[in-house]
Amino acid sequence: DTEVTQTPKHLVMGMTNKKSLKCEQHMGHRAMYWYKQKAKKPPELMFVYSYEKLSINESVPSRFSPECPNSSLLNLHLHALQPEDSALYLCASSQDTSARETQYFGPGTRLLVL
Amino acid sequence: AQSVTQPDIHITVSEGASLELRCNYSYGATPYLFWYVQSPGQGLQLLLKYFSGDTLVQGIKGFEAEFKRSQSSFNLRKPSVHWSDAAEYFCAVGALTGGGNKLTFGTGTQLKVEL
Repeated sequence: DTEVTQTPKHLVMGMTNKKSLKCEQHMGHRAMYWYKQKAKKPPELMFVYSYEKLSINESVPSRFSPECPNSSLLNLHLHALQPEDSALYLCASSQDTSARETQYFGPGTRLLVL
Repeated sequence: AQSVTQPDIHITVSEGASLELRCNYSYGATPYLFWYVQSPGQGLQLLLKYFSGDTLVQGIKGFEAEFKRSQSSFNLRKPSVHWSDAAEYFCAVGALTGGGNKLTFGTGTQLKVEL
């Protein structure tokens, strides 16, 4: 099973709201990723977790706060977002952070910030 | 730093025709190369990958890709396209940077299939 699940599928939030995106995998992968994808653009890496520790933060604004409670779960906490943060947020996982490892992607959460 | 170029933003082919999507990469060491496909509003699905060995790689859905080091290319091919192949295709190179695996994607090629 190479499935990564993400909830919710769609999310609409105001600029003063606090919400969270959830990602889950049961493949025993020890690396998990958050990407942001704007329309007609490729995914852009936001965060990498390796063995439940944050290993890469691509200079993401602090209104995005990742959390990895255990090896199967990855959350992205959202607070005080801007309309330009509206995008498809993709989660991915891989066996580890070796460059040759395949990243398996979830279906994404489509976020609209009003 | 690594980079990926997909020269064709849009490609239209007739159903049953052959397909080739171009990908050129820039990376100083042995590249780990991937092709992903994305249907509208969906996540990315891996078609195939290359990291060593035979330079012709077979993937899912009848796709194949050939790694050519001399041309820094990793072009994706399919001998006969089906209408369901219409999607966005991304070429990517994997590199180990400080802290972990970073996938760098090309800008993508939108494939349209005419019936």
